[in-house]
Amino acid sequence: QLVLTQSPSASASLGASVKLTCSLSSGHSDYAIAWHQQQPEKGPRYLMKVNSDGSHSKGDGIPDRLSGSSSGAERYLTISSLQSEDEADYYCQTWGTDIQVFGGGTKLTVL
Amino acid sequence: QVQLVESGGGVVQPGRSLRLSCAASGFTFSSYGMHWVRQAPGKGLEWVAVIWYDGSRKNVVDSVKGRFTISRDNSKNTLSLQMNSLRAEDTAVYYCARVKGTATGQIDYWGQGTLVTVSS
Repeated sequence: QLVLTQSPSASASLGASVKLTCSLSSGHSDYAIAWHQQQPEKGPRYLMKVNSDGSHSKGDGIPDRLSGSSSGAERYLTISSLQSEDEADYYCQTWGTDIQVFGGGTKLTVL
Repeated sequence: QVQLVESGGGVVQPGRSLRLSCAASGFTFSSYGMHWVRQAPGKGLEWVAVIWYDGSRKNVVDSVKGRFTISRDNSKNTLSLQMNSLRAEDTAVYYCARVKGTATGQIDYWGQGTLVTVSS
């Protein structure tokens, strides 16, 4: 079964960096995923697609301080030079034949 | 620019029906797969339904099978979700979303959402 696992919460200081993790279930380590950001009281926003080889492609207007990477069944979103507006929920998403799967989301707090 | 605008949400009693619409603009609607995704209050995102670019294939999550139907009108650039036999657990913000491809793949654009509240 295709499942994505995320830590419920993360925190980091203003101006620092943080690395969020999305884990693919066993047998699905070659799947690509997408990262989405949801700021408080707003709809989700597409950030980037991350492939199994670590390459990534960003959505329109996504700044360079956001990047993606991979290692095995793990997919990462790294945010550097943290700003207050980065405080949000972050969801990973993947897909199978005619289905979409979301991780449970990580709530990022900027201290 | 790509725009997805949902409408049709509201308060409805359990067992009743509601039809959501999503008006698409800024891209060739007939070339993209489309999805409905929902978010219950205080919860995460849950995929609900998919329809291929040409409407030839559809699928819904098990929890709404037999109750929800996804459809599209490519001549009107409109995506719809017919929701019947609504339950309290269907209460959520419903988002329409575009997939970067004809059917499956990463979601690359989201609408702003429409709130559905199922309550007596």
